[in-house]
Amino acid sequence: KQEVTQIPAALSVPEGENLVLNCSFTDSAIYNLQWFRQDPGKGLTSLLLIQSSQREQTSGRLNASLDKSSGRSTLYIAASQPGDSATYLCAVKNGAGSYQLTFGKGTKLSVIP
Amino acid sequence: GAVVSQHPSRVICKSGTSVKIECRSLDFQATTMFWYRQFPKQSLMLMATSNEGSKATYEQGVEKDKFLINHASLTLSTLTVTSAHPEDSSFYICSARVQPTDTQYFGPGTRLTVL
Repeated sequence: KQEVTQIPAALSVPEGENLVLNCSFTDSAIYNLQWFRQDPGKGLTSLLLIQSSQREQTSGRLNASLDKSSGRSTLYIAASQPGDSATYLCAVKNGAGSYQLTFGKGTKLSVIP
Repeated sequence: GAVVSQHPSRVICKSGTSVKIECRSLDFQATTMFWYRQFPKQSLMLMATSNEGSKATYEQGVEKDKFLINHASLTLSTLTVTSAHPEDSSFYICSARVQPTDTQYFGPGTRLTVL
């Protein structure tokens, strides 16, 4: 059974800092991995999706990497801003024929002005 | 991009009553929608897969008679929590699957509080 772990559970940084969020998964046979953002009491916004054949994806100040063999992904946020404060969730999809996403518990990020 | 809405956003009900939550895909058709539940500081847990025109598929441990799912059209799925109890209080989020990319778009969630 796939398990997804995110470390740290919470992170507080001053504005302007670069930061890295970590995600690990136990079954490396994934189809893709996705990073989401969740604001308090809100739904999920997809940030980046990495296919299993890819090493990284970039969108603006965000860069996500994937090392499938070691079961790890990182989300790098450059020049953090207070508006980046949210919970970041990592989710993996196992197999092309499976719809199911397995989520981590998330990392709650606070960017202090 | 694809937009998914949920209604209501918040609901408070008394123990023993039933509550219906709607999930709509606003600008696309979705043959498959998903219902998740999220407890505080926990990850999203898939409850069931809702298929248009057929019975929902429930995950292990989810009571199908308690959480009734109806996917009557290509743009609407409903989740009815029957005989709600305080332990059913949670954040319920739906998603809709877009083909052929197989991407899931998530709704804004519904906060259910059972008194």
